[in-house]
Amino acid sequence: SQQGEEDPQALSIQEGENATMNCSYKTSINNLQWYRQNSGRGLVHLILIRSNEREKHSGRLRVTLDTSKKSSSLLITASRAADTASYFCATDASPLGGGADGLTFGKGTHLIIQP
Amino acid sequence: KAGVTQTPRYLIKTRGQQVTLSCSPISGHRSVSWYQQTPGQGLQFLFEYFSETQRNKGNFPGRFSGRQFSNSRSEMNVSTLELGDSALYLCASSLDRDNPFRETQYFGPGTRLLVL
Repeated sequence: SQQGEEDPQALSIQEGENATMNCSYKTSINNLQWYRQNSGRGLVHLILIRSNEREKHSGRLRVTLDTSKKSSSLLITASRAADTASYFCATDASPLGGGADGLTFGKGTHLIIQP
Repeated sequence: KAGVTQTPRYLIKTRGQQVTLSCSPISGHRSVSWYQQTPGQGLQFLFEYFSETQRNKGNFPGRFSGRQFSNSRSEMNVSTLELGDSALYLCASSLDRDNPFRETQYFGPGTRLLVL
């Protein structure tokens, strides 16, 4: 079952603008990860934020996590044509004792950067 | 370090056949997970292996199975293929701690399976 849901489903912006994607989830989590996927290829890990963290930066990426609202956002600043891809959030909600169900992915946001 | 590799990259099979996909994790990674990606269901967890043992399993029928070898390489097998098994199959490796999903998962390029 899908735990995370990204919003919007698709986003088209001009190169140089900022892109913001949101992710909502349903249960308590240990961490939330963002991945990028180009044209149905493998997933590239972007950033991992743990449940006790509120914000994290990596280069042009900024991720926030609000556990009270069960939501996260990914901001890509100064977008480039190469940022065109699908972006997925994935959550880990596994209990400490094991019995993990793997990462649970949302359906993704398809981002198009227009040159 | 070399990344996660998957073979073959593309595969065409017919209904009723079986298929075996292979995944080689990043050197030193002992946990390997498998995911299925389809347009309708998105990315779904199949199973995770560590030290040659299936440690976690998703909600897939018994036709889907896997194994892991002593060098951490993993294979997954799908028997009696159905049209709905057409998908991109991704494997991911991670450093094992108490729980591999609490760490970064490194994904391979995937194997695209088409069932006719």
